[in-house]
Amino acid sequence: GESVGLHLPTLSVQEGDNSIINCAYSNSASDYFIWYKQESGKGPQFIIDIRSNMDKRQGQRVTVLLNKTVKHLSLQIAATQPGDSAVYFCAESYSSASKIIFGSGTRLSIRP
Amino acid sequence: AAGVIQSPRHLIKEKRETATLKCYPIPRHDTVYWYQQGPGQDPQFLISFYEKMQSDKGSIPDRFSAQQFSDYHSELNMSSLELGDSALYFCASSFTRLAGGPSTDTQYFGPGTRLTVL
Repeated sequence: GESVGLHLPTLSVQEGDNSIINCAYSNSASDYFIWYKQESGKGPQFIIDIRSNMDKRQGQRVTVLLNKTVKHLSLQIAATQPGDSAVYFCAESYSSASKIIFGSGTRLSIRP
Repeated sequence: AAGVIQSPRHLIKEKRETATLKCYPIPRHDTVYWYQQGPGQDPQFLISFYEKMQSDKGSIPDRFSAQQFSDYHSELNMSSLELGDSALYFCASSFTRLAGGPSTDTQYFGPGTRLTVL
C-alpha cells in the first residue's frame, strides 16, 4: 500500500504486505530528516534518519528514501506487522542542536 | 537503555493556575527540547536548551518559561493557564556534537505529560 502523505492521512495495508508512506518537506535548507512512529498516548519513537548527503538508508525492515530535487521523503516498511500500527511522522531539521519540524502524520492501520 | 523521563505524566489544572513540567534527559545528553502536541496535531516546537543556555525558541507563549539546570534536567513553567493549553507536552534530548562535526543529532522523546486545563 502507498499513501500520498499530506493528502491521505490514513493508510490501510494487509498484514505481510509492504507499506510506503510519503512525505513532502518544506525547507530546502533542511539537511537532516527523520521518521518517527507514535502510538496512541505515547511519545514519538525514533525509527530511522537520513542526512542530506544520502538518498537511501536501510534499517531493520525499514528503508528511507530522500529525493532532494522534489523535496520528497518516503518510508518503506517491509512485511508490515500488527505492531506497526501507529501514526508516522516525517520530520526535518537543519544545523546542529536544532528544532525538529514535524510534517502531518499518516496513520497506518493493518488488516489481518 | 535509559530513556527520557518526564514528570508528572498527567496533570489537571484550573484556568489561570500555574503548572511546572519536568524533564530528565538521557544520561550524557546535553540538549533538551520541548514540544506541544494538541489533539490530532503534529508536535510543535516550543523551546530548546544546549548546555543550560537557550538555543532556539519557537511558538512558546510569553506565559511560558523554561530553563535547563546544571544537571541538564529542564523545567517548563506555565502560568495563567488557558483551556487551549490542554495538550501533550513532550521533552526530547540529544547529544550535540562539537562544532565541525556532523550536523544535528537524533532527538529521543520522552513519554510526555498530558496537561488538562479545566
